[in-house]
Amino acid sequence: DGGITQSPKYLFRKEGQNVTLSCEQNLNHDAMYWYRQDPGQGLRLIYYSQIVNDFQKGDIAEGYSVSREKKESFPLTVTSAQKNPTAFYLCASSTGGRGWIDEQFFGPGTRLTVL
Amino acid sequence: AQKITQTQPGMFVQEKEAVTLDCTYDTSDQSYGLFWYKQPSSGEMIFLIYQGSYDEQNATEGRYSLNFQKARKSANLVISASQLGDSAMYFCAMRRGTSYGKLTFGQGTILTVHP
Repeated sequence: DGGITQSPKYLFRKEGQNVTLSCEQNLNHDAMYWYRQDPGQGLRLIYYSQIVNDFQKGDIAEGYSVSREKKESFPLTVTSAQKNPTAFYLCASSTGGRGWIDEQFFGPGTRLTVL
Repeated sequence: AQKITQTQPGMFVQEKEAVTLDCTYDTSDQSYGLFWYKQPSSGEMIFLIYQGSYDEQNATEGRYSLNFQKARKSANLVISASQLGDSAMYFCAMRRGTSYGKLTFGQGTILTVHP
């Protein structure tokens, strides 16, 4: 089955540690995205990538970093510079403009808690 | 800058009745796309319906329809014949342009369907 996988589902981190959230898709999509969701809030864009080896900052990129070395993978690193990293993180992908609607398909999310 | 406003933090509806979830948007672009997503308690985001700014007819997908009023900048979601499984958080989102691009989300509306 085609889809997006995120791991781990739950992640606990001590203050001052970097952590990396995994996102993999087998939909052959060109574009991938990372969003952050705080309780009772909408999603905010952290980073997005339209093509391998290229990515752009979203609205709240400070304290985060990404890489796009492979088409199917878009890992997100939450660095110690992120002041309030406890949140629900969602990864998404889309065809990147090749489809008429280009809706974004989402993974199941990773819930990060800083202890 | 683009902005999405969902003014209803929570809505209640009786099973089998119709319900309208409000969404207004602010943009100076002529070309844009509007989306509705459903987020059950499990956390994944499910794409429901899309409306392009140049689409002359309101979008429909099964029990979902979008009441698009361009002059008023509103894109309300109508769910007909509500089911218990419709209980979830619903997000309105906008994309600049009608092809690839990042999404800007509203704050969401929690819908509860009563039996």
